[in-house]
Amino acid sequence: GQNIDQPTEMTATEGAIVQINCTYQTSGFNGLFWYQQHAGEAPTFLSYNVLDGLEEKGRFSSFLSRSKGYSYLLLKELQMKDSASYLCAVRDDGNAGNMLTFGGGTRLMVKP
Amino acid sequence: DAGVTQSPTHLIKTRGQQVTLRCSPKSGHDTVSWYQQALGQGPQFIFQYYEEEERQRGNFPDRFSGHQFPNYSSELNVNALLLGDSALYLCASSRRQDPRPYNYGYTFGSGTRLTVV
Repeated sequence: GQNIDQPTEMTATEGAIVQINCTYQTSGFNGLFWYQQHAGEAPTFLSYNVLDGLEEKGRFSSFLSRSKGYSYLLLKELQMKDSASYLCAVRDDGNAGNMLTFGGGTRLMVKP
Repeated sequence: DAGVTQSPTHLIKTRGQQVTLRCSPKSGHDTVSWYQQALGQGPQFIFQYYEEEERQRGNFPDRFSGHQFPNYSSELNVNALLLGDSALYLCASSRRQDPRPYNYGYTFGSGTRLTVV
């Protein structure tokens, strides 16, 4: 079976740094994705990791440790518009089927 | 370049009724996946269509069925609606054989908000 865990809610202050963790246990692994979803809107792609290490993209970074089944999303210089849900998803299909399994999402509240 | 479009955006149905949701994938994409997202939860995989066939299916009852057309668009049908079917239904498209690993993710539509009363 597939199990992806992330905290339900987090609160942080504007301008600060926040780390959102994700742990996974899946029958296969072929990449981990982070998506951002504002209330009532479609999820939008943030980052992709398939090898261990850190991927940096502007204010957002994502880290992966395959041996630990662990990833985190790091958001720097938080802005009010970063208030959203952040979804961790694992691609567990080794073929080209491209099926993603999502965690429950972490709702981030950025306060002034 | 149009993204993924879903219709309708909102829908209210009565228990026991049937509903059909529609999705047009992003241009160049050939695979459509459907997800159910309850309020405050992550998306749950319903099924995926490629070449007009259901390729993978999540843990959803047979009341949930789908179709993919030759132009890659797709429909999700739900029969005998239950109150628990109330959710945001997301359509996601992708290209099955994409050489760029970043694009092995999805492009999502804005969803159809289904309310069953």
